[in-house]
Amino acid sequence: DGGITQSPKYLFRKEGQNVTLSCEQNLNHDAMYWYRQDPGQGLRLIYYSQIVNDFQKGDIAEGYSVSREKKESFPLTVTSAQKNPTAFYLCASKYRGTGQETQYFGPGTRLLVL
Amino acid sequence: EDQVTQSPEALRLQEGESSSLNCSYTVSGLRGLFWYRQDPGKGPEFLFTLYSAGEEKEKERLKATLTKKESFLHITAPKPEDSATYLCAVLTQGGSEKLVFGKGTKLTVNP
Repeated sequence: DGGITQSPKYLFRKEGQNVTLSCEQNLNHDAMYWYRQDPGQGLRLIYYSQIVNDFQKGDIAEGYSVSREKKESFPLTVTSAQKNPTAFYLCASKYRGTGQETQYFGPGTRLLVL
Repeated sequence: EDQVTQSPEALRLQEGESSSLNCSYTVSGLRGLFWYRQDPGKGPEFLFTLYSAGEEKEKERLKATLTKKESFLHITAPKPEDSATYLCAVLTQGGSEKLVFGKGTKLTVNP
């Protein structure tokens, strides 16, 4: 089955702790994205990567870091510098063909602060 | 600044009662407009991409249309399983890879 997997489904962070969210895709897509979703707000872009070993900041990158060492994987680290990390985190990858493009999303990780 | 506004914020329908959701946008240049469906606690599920004014796409009871300023998602004879939050997003020209999302419309269909 082709798709995007995110783990874990729920993650608990203690104050001052860094945590890493996993995102893997087997769709052979070049571009991958991380979004944050908060109640009553639209999805906001944290980071994106269009190719291996390259990534760009989105609108709310402060307190987050990413890496892209493999085409299939785009992990997101929520650092202790992110003061309000409680949210639903969504990973996406993009298909771009002739005259069409679409972003597909994973199932999400809900991050809670203890 | 690119903006996407969805209305209404919430909509309650009776089963079989057709209606439309609106997505209005202000962008420097539209590369594509996307509709997604999101169930509680799940990731958004892709529905449609529209690229130019006048374009229409259909899937089961859903039909999406696009003008130069807005898009409509028409729901014909909805069923309770159509209850979800529907998200609209735009991709702009100029090399940006950022999808700009609206806040969504929460649809509830009562049996």
